[in-house]
Formats: sequence, structure tokens, C-alpha cells
Amino acid sequence: ILNVEQSPQSLHVQEGDSTNFTCSFPSSNFYALHWYRWETAKSPEALFVMTLNGDEKKKGRISATLNTKEGYSYLYIKGSQPEDSATYLCAAGRRALTFGSGTRLQVQP
Amino acid sequence: NAGVTQTPKFQVLKTGQSMTLQCAQDMNHEYMSWYRQDPGMGLRLIHYSVGAGITDQGEVPNGYNVSRSTTEDFPLRLLSAAPSQTSVYFCATGPGDNQPQHFGDGTRLSIL
Repeated sequence: ILNVEQSPQSLHVQEGDSTNFTCSFPSSNFYALHWYRWETAKSPEALFVMTLNGDEKKKGRISATLNTKEGYSYLYIKGSQPEDSATYLCAAGRRALTFGSGTRLQVQP
Repeated sequence: NAGVTQTPKFQVLKTGQSMTLQCAQDMNHEYMSWYRQDPGMGLRLIHYSVGAGITDQGEVPNGYNVSRSTTEDFPLRLLSAAPSQTSVYFCATGPGDNQPQHFGDGTRLSIL
């Protein structure tokens, strides 16, 4: 069982703010780091899967970076919008994923 | 194209009863997993399968059984329900190693 931790636990920002969250994971026996977005009353949706040290992925205003040597990944949201309000989960593993407890983002209009 | 279908969506059980949560997929994904989601604890892996006939335990397997006789289906069985198994259960599928997982809509289970 991997130890995957996310911070902060929750975040309140104003519309237009840029924000970022952290996911830390064991750097040994690394396979992949996943990010998921989870809106209330829906199921988690995949944002990114990263496997290589230094990987950077981008989808619209959301981007992520990966540092496998030190065991962390950052998720960035540029110019937050109310529709970005959700819980953002990271997970590590190859076949069996271990999830962090998530960062709950609320964007105030 | 339904994706990942979980049934039922809601269920209330009495302590000691047994039941099966169904998960079916039409994406021909090899990997299927069951997670439970509890407040403040994120998603925890119960059991997973990397192909028909192959299953393995996750983080919290006690009290649950699985089998994978076909690629499409991965049922989760509660042998003797306990209040501690009250949770929201998610089934997820994936095409292979290091690939994104696709989640069903979840089953909300309450055990009295």
C-alpha cells in the first residue's frame, strides 16, 4: 500500500485566481501518477496520467508537473472559474491505484 | 455505448445480509477495480482484476469477494454485511498499465 498525500485538504479562491495543489508519493518503485477531477454527485474523471520524471501535461487552463525523484506532482489551475469547483484526486500505482484523500476546491464568483 | 454500468444505484441492507454489487463494461478493458469512498478518506481499493480469471486484493479486501469470469463483468459480493461497510462503492475500468481509469456512477450502500 503506497502512502499518497495531498495538500491542502481544501481551498477557497475567487474567480480569476490561479491556484495549485500538491500530491506527494513514494519515489521508489514509481510507475505512474494520475490526476482525477471529481464533481459533486458525479464520478471521478481522468485529467492526466504521467509516467516520466519532468512530465508536464496540459488541458485547457489545467496543467500538471511530475517530479519522480523527489516524489511530488503539482496541479495548476490558471484563472479559476466557478465550474472548476470540484475535488481533485491524485493516485499512484501501476495496476492497483492508491488514491490521496483529495483537495476540495471551491471557486467563488 | 454505456461505458461502466453499476447496479443497483442505492441499496439498504440489514446487518448479516449478503448481496452482490454489479459492474459491467462495454469498453473491452482488461483492468477492473472496486473502490469504496468514505468521508475524509478518498477512494480505497477493495479488489482488482487485470483480466478474466485473475483477481487480487487491494487495501481493504476483508468482507468482500470478487470473481472475473468474463472481460465485461466484475461483481463484488458482500458475504455478511456489517455497518462498517456502509459506503459509496465505485467500479472502475482501464485498458492497461499506467492508463487512466473510467469510473461508474457508484452504488450507495447503507447497512443498518
